[in-house]
Amino acid sequence: QQPVQSPQAVILREGEDAVINCSSSKALYSVHWYRQKHGEAPVFLMILLKGGEQKGHEKISASFNEKKQQSSLYLTASQLSYSGTYFCGTEIPQTGANNLFFGTGTRLTVIP
Amino acid sequence: DAGITQSPRHKVTETGTPVTLRCHQTENHRYMYWYRQDPGHGLRLIHYSYGVKDTDKGEVSDGYSVSRSKTEDFLLTLESATSSQTSVYFCAIRAQGHSGNTIYFGEGSWLTVV
Repeated sequence: QQPVQSPQAVILREGEDAVINCSSSKALYSVHWYRQKHGEAPVFLMILLKGGEQKGHEKISASFNEKKQQSSLYLTASQLSYSGTYFCGTEIPQTGANNLFFGTGTRLTVIP
Repeated sequence: DAGITQSPRHKVTETGTPVTLRCHQTENHRYMYWYRQDPGHGLRLIHYSYGVKDTDKGEVSDGYSVSRSKTEDFLLTLESATSSQTSVYFCAIRAQGHSGNTIYFGEGSWLTVV
């Protein structure tokens, strides 16, 4: 039930754009995106609910295609502070735990 | 800040010894979780709780037990620690934030079993 993220790692120069993908084999209720800095806890970025909406958070936005069970995270005009590992967490309907299944992460490195 | 405190934050223990990690929350959240994070595996659910004395297994529960005698405390116990349990352990809660209902993580507990 773990979603698949791609790419596994990406290196950008400041100002460049990146896309991180998250794909599930299960029908999804929602997708949650997190960023984790080395040695710290994952920090919640945004949630995408069913409906294909796109959300934004400064220059970071995301979309959710519920028919394809896919979500993409868009980072535009990247900044050094965007470096970290990005995780998607997927929520599957009717699981009693109300938990998320997490991908293995995409390591993003932004260099000057 | 999700109001979650984990203790200890770092621990080194020997194989075969029991270890208990504590998670404390201050905001009366119903759902609490223990995840472990390992390279190449991401975050995996060990156990979760949906109320006092109500707990259930997650994906990787073998070798772990949990207890929740009070709303605010969720304990994770390794009855007899093994080297494969060397990991980073995150407690988490499910809560309604300004952006939606999601999972928030504590600071993490780094456990090394030697």
